[in-house]
Amino acid sequence: GAVVSQHPSWVICKSGTSVKIECRSLDFQATTMFWYRQFPKQSLMLMATSNEGSKATYEQGVEKDKFLINHASLTLSTLTVTSAHPEDSSFYICRVPGQGDEQYFGPGTRLTVT
Amino acid sequence: DAKTTQPTSMDCAEGRAANLPCNHSTISGNEYVYWYRQIHSQGPQYIIHGLKNNETNEMASLIITEDRKSSTLILPHATLRDTAVYYCIVRVSGGNQGGKLIFGQGTELSVKP
Repeated sequence: GAVVSQHPSWVICKSGTSVKIECRSLDFQATTMFWYRQFPKQSLMLMATSNEGSKATYEQGVEKDKFLINHASLTLSTLTVTSAHPEDSSFYICRVPGQGDEQYFGPGTRLTVT
Repeated sequence: DAKTTQPTSMDCAEGRAANLPCNHSTISGNEYVYWYRQIHSQGPQYIIHGLKNNETNEMASLIITEDRKSSTLILPHATLRDTAVYYCIVRVSGGNQGGKLIFGQGTELSVKP
C-alpha cells in the first residue's frame, strides 16, 4: 500500500490565489521531508527541505516567502504556494525518508494556475 | 554527490531485456549507485541500489563495473508497464535522512509491443 500520500492530487486555481498541498507519511514518522517540483518534460528539482520543529531550508533560487512550508507534525508537511501565477503551474512531489535508506515519494500534485 | 550521465532515450521491444547505462566517472569510494524510475504523472519509485557488487531484486539487476565508473540497470523481460523515465543517482548511503537526492535528466525508456 501507499507509504506517502499527497492531497490534493490535482488542483486548478486562479492567478493570485494561494494553494496548500499536503504530504502525509502513512507508515513512518519523519522529522524531515523534501519537496520537489517538476515542469513538463523536465526532471525533478529539489525545492526545499521541510524540518519538523524548525524552519524549512530552501534551495537556491526558491523563494521562501512564496513557497511556505510547515512541518506540522511528524507525519505531515504542507507546501503553500502563495499568490500563485501561471508560471507556478507544475507537478509538486514530496519525499519521505523511511527506515534504513529507503526513500518514498508521494504520488504528486498537479497544480494548474489559470 | 557525483554527477551521472545517461542517454536521453532508449527503445526496447516487449519481452526483451532492457539495458540502461549510466556513467559516474567521479564516483567516490563511499558513494552508492541508486536507480529510480518515474512513470508518467506519478512519483518516483525506488528500483535498486549497490556499492560495488552486482545486485538483483524482483524488479531488476544492477551491474557495476569493477572500477565503479559506470553501471547498467537491467530489466530482464521488459513489459509495456516498464515504460518510464529511469534515473541513476550517485550518493552516500544512509545518514541525514537520505540527503537531498538530486535527480539528473534520466533516460526515457519506451517499451514497444
